[in-house]
Amino acid sequence: DSGVTQTPKHLITATGQRVTLRCSPRSGDLSVYWYQQSLDQGLQFLIQYYNGEERAKGNILERFSAQQFPDLHSELNLSSLELGDSALYFCASSLTSGNTIYFGEGSWLTVV
Amino acid sequence: DAKTTQPTSMDCAEGRAANLPCNHSTISGNEYVYWYRQIHSQGPQYIIHGLKNNETNEMASLIITEDRKSSTLILPHATLRDTAVYYCIVSSTGANNLFFGTGTRLTVIP
Repeated sequence: DSGVTQTPKHLITATGQRVTLRCSPRSGDLSVYWYQQSLDQGLQFLIQYYNGEERAKGNILERFSAQQFPDLHSELNLSSLELGDSALYFCASSLTSGNTIYFGEGSWLTVV
Repeated sequence: DAKTTQPTSMDCAEGRAANLPCNHSTISGNEYVYWYRQIHSQGPQYIIHGLKNNETNEMASLIITEDRKSSTLILPHATLRDTAVYYCIVSSTGANNLFFGTGTRLTVIP
């Protein structure tokens, strides 16, 4: 158990819908990261937050957004969902940038 | 961050040591070598990391060559539960994310 908690574990939704994935980082960690893993692609970095502020952006689509709240939990919002958005979404956390990153167990999103 | 090269796949007999190589010939002085593994569709699991000295923990040992251009992850007594994709990642202090390549798919054979 890494200490990073993600909910929901599984989610099925229809195209065009919007979903929110939630992440609680390890106790004391200030940085939160989001990654996407599709069947045909590896782990793709989406975005990083540090203590509530966006720190780095990767291959995140404009339909996707994230935020980190004062209690340090984070949410990834996915809107106008397409079939190709079906993937595993991982949240990870670290104390700060450059420290060891620990991953949650992921949220399986299926868009039908 | 420096790029890494790993074999696509490896097999290892159960109970034997699994030695997973990684080349990172363009590594720079402030970059660490990290190893993670991902057991089928689970979250990537941190294994070990090092800068230039060899490191050992309860999961594995990391051997880094003196010139730091390559490293080997050693699982001393592989079990079936060690079957996973192993990722070697080079990352600098202060890096904002980890870049995952394709990794090595290790299969432990009974």
